[in-house]
Amino acid sequence: AQKVTQAQTEISVVEKEDVTLDCVYETRDTTYYLFWYKQPPSGELVFLIRRNSFDEQNEISGRYSWNFQKSTSSFNFTITASQVVDSAVYFCALSEADDMRFGAGTRLTVKP
Amino acid sequence: NAGVMQNPRHLVRRRGQEARLRCSPMKGHSHVYWYRQLPEEGLKFMVYLQKENIIDESGMPKERFSAEFPKEGPSILRIQQVVRGDSAAYFCASSSKGLGYNEQFFGPGTRLTVL
Repeated sequence: AQKVTQAQTEISVVEKEDVTLDCVYETRDTTYYLFWYKQPPSGELVFLIRRNSFDEQNEISGRYSWNFQKSTSSFNFTITASQVVDSAVYFCALSEADDMRFGAGTRLTVKP
Repeated sequence: NAGVMQNPRHLVRRRGQEARLRCSPMKGHSHVYWYRQLPEEGLKFMVYLQKENIIDESGMPKERFSAEFPKEGPSILRIQQVVRGDSAAYFCASSSKGLGYNEQFFGPGTRLTVL
C-alpha cells in the first residue's frame, strides 16, 4: 500500500527565511513517481515538480529546491528566501502505475 | 491552449438532489482523473478514466457516485441523492499518458455545498 506522510501540518515563517517542507513516502514498487503541488488560497492546484524513482538528482528551480533520498524514502521541498506569495498549502504525492496518493498537505504561511 | 476546465465552479444542492460536475480535459489529453478534497484535508483519488472506459474506480464510493468520459464531450462526475458529507471540492485532472508516467494538469475545481 502506498502512503505519503507530510508530518508538518502548518508552518509559519517570516519573509526571507528559508523553509523546508518534509515528505516521506512508502511503497513496495521500484518504479514510482513523486510530485509536489501548490494550492494557493484561490484553490487551484499548481504543479511544481515530478521526479521518477530512478533519478535521485536534486533539483533547483529558482528559489525552489527538492531533495530526493531513496535511502530515507523522503522527497523534501525547500523554499529559499521565502516570500508572502509562497503562502499556500503544499501537497506531496506518490504515483505508481495505477493511482496517485496525496499527502495531507502542509499549510505554509509567510508573514511580511 | 486552454487548460483543464471544470464547471460549475460552485454548486449548491439540497440533500437528496443530484449533482453533476463537468470536466473538459486539456486538448489532446485522453486520460481524466477525479479527486475529492474534504475541508482542511488532502486530495483523495476517486476515479481514473480514458475515453469511454473506466480504468480504476477504486477510490469512488460504490453507491450514489458514478463517472463517465464519453467519446464526445466532457467527463461527468455524478452524485445522486447528495448528503451533507458530500460537500467538498472536486478536482479533475488530465494527462496525455497514463497515470504516473506523465504530469497531471488540474482544473480549478468544483466546490459542492450540500445544504
